[in-house]
Amino acid sequence: NAGVMQNPRHLVRRRGQEARLRCSPMKGHSHVYWYRQLPEEGLKFMVYLQKENIIDESGMPKERFSAEFPKEGPSILRIQQVVRGDSAAYFCASSQTVNTEAFFGQGTRLTVV
Amino acid sequence: DQQVKQNSPSLSVQEGRISILNCDYTNSMFDYFLWYKKYPAEGPTFLISISSIKDKNEDGRFTVFLNKSAKHLSLHIVPSQPGDSAVYFCAGGGSQGNLIFGKGTKLSVKP
Repeated sequence: NAGVMQNPRHLVRRRGQEARLRCSPMKGHSHVYWYRQLPEEGLKFMVYLQKENIIDESGMPKERFSAEFPKEGPSILRIQQVVRGDSAAYFCASSQTVNTEAFFGQGTRLTVV
Repeated sequence: DQQVKQNSPSLSVQEGRISILNCDYTNSMFDYFLWYKKYPAEGPTFLISISSIKDKNEDGRFTVFLNKSAKHLSLHIVPSQPGDSAVYFCAGGGSQGNLIFGKGTKLSVKP
């Protein structure tokens, strides 16, 4: 039973480009969460999705950021026109139901140059 | 507005002794709390959880205590081992589904 899979592990983008981060949840998990960790900071909630629906996007910046979790395929976190401040580790987690522990992927480290 | 606070950024403990990691919260609506352990360049790993209706949960060397009146929880690791050296995150969760994390405490266990 594979864990939460994120790819790529490392992503380098120039300012103004788009970044696409992928997350495949654990088998049987329909709840996906995206978190961002800045250096020396804890994990900050960004968005919570449940198959094809965005449940809570209160932690996601209103502009340039979007997330989806289609019926088929991985969840995608998309950052348009990246800026240096977007450089961070982005973690995806999945859970079977709402009130159970979430399992995390290994993260995608985004570097904007 | 930090709903979950870990006020000690780091903690150093001798191997074999007890490690106590602390966490305070302000949100009374949390239904449960979790502790995660994180190694550099890896994702957080779930360690132990506690429901808000309990005051203690134990799993092997790990025990979590919850004091609801003080809005405080703590993670006890005994005996501490060098492999326990990592960053520990406390998180609160509720019916909304998302977790609110503290900033973490870096634990160093010296041999």
